[in-house]
Amino acid sequence: NAGVTQTPKFRVLKTGQSMTLLCAQDMNHEYMYWYRQDPGMGLRLIHYSVGEGTTAKGEVPDGYNVSRLKKQNFLLGLESAAPSQTSVYFCASGSHRSPSYNEQFFGPGTRLTVL
Amino acid sequence: EDQVTQSPEALRLQEGESSSLNCSYTVSGLRGLFWYRQDPGKGPEFLFTLYSAGEEKEKERLKATLTKKESFLHITAPKPEDSATYLCAVQAPGSNYKLTFGKGTLLTVNP
Repeated sequence: NAGVTQTPKFRVLKTGQSMTLLCAQDMNHEYMYWYRQDPGMGLRLIHYSVGEGTTAKGEVPDGYNVSRLKKQNFLLGLESAAPSQTSVYFCASGSHRSPSYNEQFFGPGTRLTVL
Repeated sequence: EDQVTQSPEALRLQEGESSSLNCSYTVSGLRGLFWYRQDPGKGPEFLFTLYSAGEEKEKERLKATLTKKESFLHITAPKPEDSATYLCAVQAPGSNYKLTFGKGTLLTVNP
């Protein structure tokens, strides 16, 4: 039981390049979330999904797209990276069912630098 | 709009020196208040969920309490391994189980 895993762990991009961050969970959770964490800003929600095939915008969605084609995977895409997207990205999953009941489980993070 | 404010931003304690971290919140109805611990370079790790005013939960040297406006994380006789950033988050009804996080309190416990 690996929990929530994220790929890659580190990445350096040049401005304008694109990339996809992959999140996978093996807990059969319905909900999945993408956050970014910046110094002094805390964790901010980018996009989230309440089930396979559904996605919705969070607090800071601009410049990002997401897809949830399979229940266990949640992809975050940057079509044209900008220096302002330099951040640490965390994926989380959760369920409203017992025993986790609303708790979100976080992955180890992806550290992205955009030059 | 849901808001979470944590204080202090940073706290330095001597080993064994008890203290409390504060999380004040504004939310339209509270489904749950969550405390997480985050070590450098890692993802947040769940500690507690509190659902209603007056509720308390304990885990080793940590005790979380909840009122209608704020939550406290009490740390009794801390050890250096308790050093971490502690995050507070709230969840509102009808929010699709989204969490709104505070900016965290960086706790350093010196031996």
